[in-house]
Amino acid sequence: ETGVTQTPRHLVMGMTNKKSLKCEQHLGHNAMYWYKQSAKKPLELMFVYNFKEQTENNSVPSRFSPECPNSSHLFLHLHTLQPEDSALYLCASSQEGGGLYEQFFGPGTRLTVL
Amino acid sequence: GIQVEQSPPDLILQEGANSTLRCNFSDSVNNLQWFHQNPWGQLINLFYIPSGTKQNGRLSATTVATERYSLLYISSSQTTDSGVYFCAVYVDMRFGAGTRLTVKP
Repeated sequence: ETGVTQTPRHLVMGMTNKKSLKCEQHLGHNAMYWYKQSAKKPLELMFVYNFKEQTENNSVPSRFSPECPNSSHLFLHLHTLQPEDSALYLCASSQEGGGLYEQFFGPGTRLTVL
Repeated sequence: GIQVEQSPPDLILQEGANSTLRCNFSDSVNNLQWFHQNPWGQLINLFYIPSGTKQNGRLSATTVATERYSLLYISSSQTTDSGVYFCAVYVDMRFGAGTRLTVKP
């Protein structure tokens, strides 16, 4: 595997389900990100992890719970979601340092909440 | 927070035409990136260009940080260039709303 991978690519879940999205980066980066892309809206940053520490949480509802066990893996745990949470969830990574933030994105997980 | 505006929101071109996409931002930035999102949702890096000019094949980009804008040039467009083009600035990790480009054969 190369670059940034995400699984699953598609997910359909009910509002009472619990599921997890997985992201893995093979680039040796030290920062990882979750973004949400809803229809007809710009990408919204959800969470940032730098050196495995969460450095940003953009007022995301608690039904989204991130986990970063190491600098290569990032999870987004989902529970009791709402239909308006249906969106494309994108993971990205970057090597932060010296003011550089070039990000590389995974292919995304398209989530549908019924 | 910083505002990022992209124009035009939609652009339809005939294959072979040239185009210029614009990204304006409301405050100083030291990091800016252009992406192409293909129909399957994948964001593909085009340029990391906090300032100056870069070229990659038929694409080039220029950022004038002091005047708070960046331009993406697409020359001799092809149908495979279709998709949404985003600029992102890494103050607040803010993305613009995108320009949807359709290239017709």
